[in-house]
Amino acid sequence: GIQVEQSPPDLILQEGANSTLRCNFSDSVNNLQWFHQNPWGQLINLFYIPSGTKQNGRLSATTVATERYSLLYISSSQTTDSGVYFCAAGRGTASKLTFGTGTRLQVTL
Amino acid sequence: EPEVTQTPSHQVTQMGQEVILRCVPISNHLYFYWYRQILGQKVEFLVSFYNNEISEKSEIFDDQFSVERPDGSNFTLKIRSTKLEDSAMYFCASRGAGLEQYFGPGTRLTVT
Repeated sequence: GIQVEQSPPDLILQEGANSTLRCNFSDSVNNLQWFHQNPWGQLINLFYIPSGTKQNGRLSATTVATERYSLLYISSSQTTDSGVYFCAAGRGTASKLTFGTGTRLQVTL
Repeated sequence: EPEVTQTPSHQVTQMGQEVILRCVPISNHLYFYWYRQILGQKVEFLVSFYNNEISEKSEIFDDQFSVERPDGSNFTLKIRSTKLEDSAMYFCASRGAGLEQYFGPGTRLTVT
């Protein structure tokens, strides 16, 4: 099956800083999603981005499918951005998602 | 905006008991999934369901687990005889004709 690796595993930022989270996947995919897991454990959909670039406010994401990686950019970070960020990849019709181990982000004042 | 809902939000059960976790997928969606996340670990795929049958299942999804779509709206995960290691957050997800999966808020299962 697909292998998904995320880096860095942990990241501590001061409020206002920018960051880049990386997701590498081992095979061609037709689904790539980024999630934010909040302190209550809920998975919040950030992006569905099997290829190309998308932006939503202070967040943006880019997937380069041919090189098998995706990047999540967080600009002007806020304390509410803290939590774990997961990327997940899938392929095929049923397209089950394989999750990475996540990047734990802590934004401090 | 339509969303996936799950009940209960937290369930505590004793080892050996049966539990049923419930999900209401988005109404026009066709594919349904269960995932679980043991505390501090990554999210793992359990099972996918399409056209009233299982389309794929993982090694975790053994004979203790079953899924059902008993009516046009609910999608359930049953664990027949719970073990301590079944303690986890269980997420339901659904998707329509597109590939993006929409996740519910999760049910935290605690087995004592």
